[in-house]
Parts: sequence; C-alpha cells; structure tokens
Amino acid sequence: DAGVTQTPRHEVAEKGQTIILKCEPVSGHNDLFWYRQTKIQGLELLSYFRSKSLMEDGGAFKDRFKAEMLNSSFSTLKIQPTEPKDSAVYLCASSLGGGNYAEQFFGPGTRLTVL
Amino acid sequence: GDSVTQTEGQVTVSESKSLIINCTYSATSIAYPNLFWYVRYPGEGLQLLLKVITAGQKGSSRGFEATYNKETTSFHLQKASVQESDSAVYYCARKGRGNYKPTFGKGTSLVVHP
Repeated sequence: DAGVTQTPRHEVAEKGQTIILKCEPVSGHNDLFWYRQTKIQGLELLSYFRSKSLMEDGGAFKDRFKAEMLNSSFSTLKIQPTEPKDSAVYLCASSLGGGNYAEQFFGPGTRLTVL
Repeated sequence: GDSVTQTEGQVTVSESKSLIINCTYSATSIAYPNLFWYVRYPGEGLQLLLKVITAGQKGSSRGFEATYNKETTSFHLQKASVQESDSAVYYCARKGRGNYKPTFGKGTSLVVHP
C-alpha cells in the first residue's frame, strides 16, 4: 500500500511568486494535515482536514496560505505570495482519524526555498 | 491550551551511553490522551517510533522505551545504550481520543558520537 506522496520534493521560488504543493494521502485515511517544519519552531500546523472538510486553517498562516482538498485522495497547499521567511520543509500527513490508534503517516516533505 | 514540552535543541551522547529525552504534556482538555514518539532520520521522512494509549503502559521500539505516566503527565523517551544510527530528530506528540488533531513538541535533535 502506498504511503503519503508529496510533490515536488524541492521547490525554489522568487519572492512574490505563487507556488502550489501537492499531497496524496494514504488511501482510506480520513484526516489530512499540512505542517511547516523548521529547526526553530518544529512542526507548525497549517491546515487540518477531516473527511475533506477544513477543520483548522492555522490561524497566523491564513493570509497567504491556502489548503484545499478537492477529493479524498488529493490536497494542495498554495502559498501566495511567497516570502523568504517561508523557506522551510512542508509536510503532509494523513491518519485514519478518531479512535485510539490514529497515528499519523507523513510524506517525505517538500523543501521550499524562497529567494 | 494543549501543549507538549520536550527537551529543547540538541542532545549529544557518546555511543553506548544511556539517553533520556524528556517530554511532558498538558492535560487541560483531554484527561488521558494517546501519546507518541516520532523520529526523523537523516534523509528520511518523519515516522512513528512508538505509541502508548493506556496510562501506566510502556511502549518500546528499536531499543527505545517510553512510559505513559499520568501522575506526572510525562512520556520520557529512554534508551540504555545508544548507537550512532540513532542520530535523528525526535518529536513527542499527544492526541486526544476521538477526532482531535495531535499536538507536537518542538523536536529534539540527538547526535550520537562514536
């Protein structure tokens, strides 16, 4: 069974550009998460979907970050416009949701560099 | 709100020595959360190391252990004898039972010297 897939693995953008990151969760998983990972802040939640419905949009990240889940097997994260401080690794994760054993399965991440 | 606090920054240990990475969680909204340790090895994605869902129980994997202590709201990660291959970033996480999103600590970078 395939794990979480993320594309692209690396992205370089100029300041002010729009970039779109893609994620395919594990088949059958109901919850999908987008995180930003940095050494200083660790994992910061950007968006959280449950059964395709947006449950949390990450507060401080709302203005330039927009995640969508068009169907149960595909999600995108748009950053518009990008800023140098957005340089980080962006992780997508999915889980079955609810229950006692709902561990998260993470994708390999997209490393974004904004010049 | 919900929070997870773990040993910050980098921990450096010599090979074959013992290790403990501290993790404590708040118990404000969820009395008995599920607790997890995730690990990211160099060049790899974040993956589950171990999990415990019952207070008082111990989880173990790859020589690591963590005990769910509800009295002290802790879930410290321990290993008796570390190896160079254990060098990685470790994240402690909690998740309420039911449909709640998990809360992660900020991560601890472990460097094991030969």
